Amino acid sequence: RKEVEQDPGPFNVPEGATVAFNCTYSNSASQSFFWYRQDCRKEPKLLMSVYSSGNEDGRFTAQLNRASQYISLLIRDSKLSDSATYLCVVISGGSYIPTFGRGTSLIVHP
Amino acid sequence: DAGVTQSPTHLIKTRGQHVTLRCSPISGHKSVSWYQQVLGQGPQFIFQYYEKEERGRGNFPDRFSARQFPNYSSELNVNALLLGDSALYLCASSYGGAPGEQYFGPGTRLTVT
Repeated sequence: RKEVEQDPGPFNVPEGATVAFNCTYSNSASQSFFWYRQDCRKEPKLLMSVYSSGNEDGRFTAQLNRASQYISLLIRDSKLSDSATYLCVVISGGSYIPTFGRGTSLIVHP
Repeated sequence: DAGVTQSPTHLIKTRGQHVTLRCSPISGHKSVSWYQQVLGQGPQFIFQYYEKEERGRGNFPDRFSARQFPNYSSELNVNALLLGDSALYLCASSYGGAPGEQYFGPGTRLTVT
């Protein structure tokens, strides 16, 4: 089993839709979690950190489920500009080594 | 403020050659991490340096090495290039020693022929 797994998609949704991605991790000692966004042929950009209590930033909500070992990203009211690849990152305690998932592709169409 | 900068932008090398990639972090950031990203995959961690010391190393062969300078800029060196080293090499900076929230540079696209 891979350390960090994401459904590559693509998720193809209309503008205004709500879409959610999950990212599962195998190491129960993982401590830090993040979501990044990567546009085609560009560098990843930090979207949000994922806190144990969950966190929200505008239309974006991130949650952590330690029992089932996954993090999620919910995007409400999708915009065309949300089209990108969404990468999850998991950092295991003590190792300081960040492990990226392969990313989930989102395409928002008119 | 300038973001993370990397040079060169693109590079073409021949198998067996050596390459040096450069990165300057965001001003005030003391940590630099290097990643390799191949098409269709997420970035794979190579090294992290904090305060000029190696903090972490990913699963890459000894042909890969790096260092961080007193001004916190960094170099990634790859010896004896293989075709499989063709990838986008990303540098990311963060303030502290734990690689939490990171800010990526635009990357260096390396092609090995």
